Amino acid sequence: KAGVTQTPRYLIKTRGQQVTLSCSPISGHRSVSWYQQTPGQGLQFLFEYFSETQRNKGNFPGRFSGRQFSNSRSEMNVSTLELGDSALYLCASSLTIPRDSSGNTIYFGEGSWLTVV
Amino acid sequence: AQKVTQAQTEISVVEKEDVTLDCVYETRDTTYYLFWYKQPPSGELVFLIRRNSFDEQNEISGRYSWNFQKSTSSFNFTITASQVVDSAVYFCACLGGYNKLIFGAGTRLAVHP
Repeated sequence: KAGVTQTPRYLIKTRGQQVTLSCSPISGHRSVSWYQQTPGQGLQFLFEYFSETQRNKGNFPGRFSGRQFSNSRSEMNVSTLELGDSALYLCASSLTIPRDSSGNTIYFGEGSWLTVV
Repeated sequence: AQKVTQAQTEISVVEKEDVTLDCVYETRDTTYYLFWYKQPPSGELVFLIRRNSFDEQNEISGRYSWNFQKSTSSFNFTITASQVVDSAVYFCACLGGYNKLIFGAGTRLAVHP
């Protein structure tokens, strides 16, 4: 069973540019969430999508956006890149609503390493 | 709001030593979920365990064991007979809201031969 797949794995962008990161969840999983990891702030929640709807959003500026497609694949976009956006961006998938009685396990991909110069 | 504290920033042990990673959580929810993840240098967060708040049974998986105590809001992780391959950063997390994980700062474990 394939895991969570993220592309690209590594990328370098220049300040002011925009970037799009892609995530394919585990087959059958309908929830996709995104996290940013930096040495200073640690792991921070960006947003979560379920059935193409954003259900929750973290405390990030509007430059960070995302979407989910009907096949559950997700993309996140960062516009007008800043040096501080350099980070590891992690995508996670889970089967369904996490608080149902069966609980829910959240699996992560290998991440996309973004460097802004 | 949830909060997770991992007070140990770095731990260094010699192979075959036992090591415990501490995790203290705060939540107002009566039903909640706790997780442990391992992050090797490659970056991927590897799922280790999920624990539901209504299940206080401790769990053992090979050399790994977890001690969940609601009375002290702790969910500690012990590695028995550590190995070099256990070297990684370990994160404890609490689930809040729709699939929103609140992570601790992580504990970097270095196991030396």
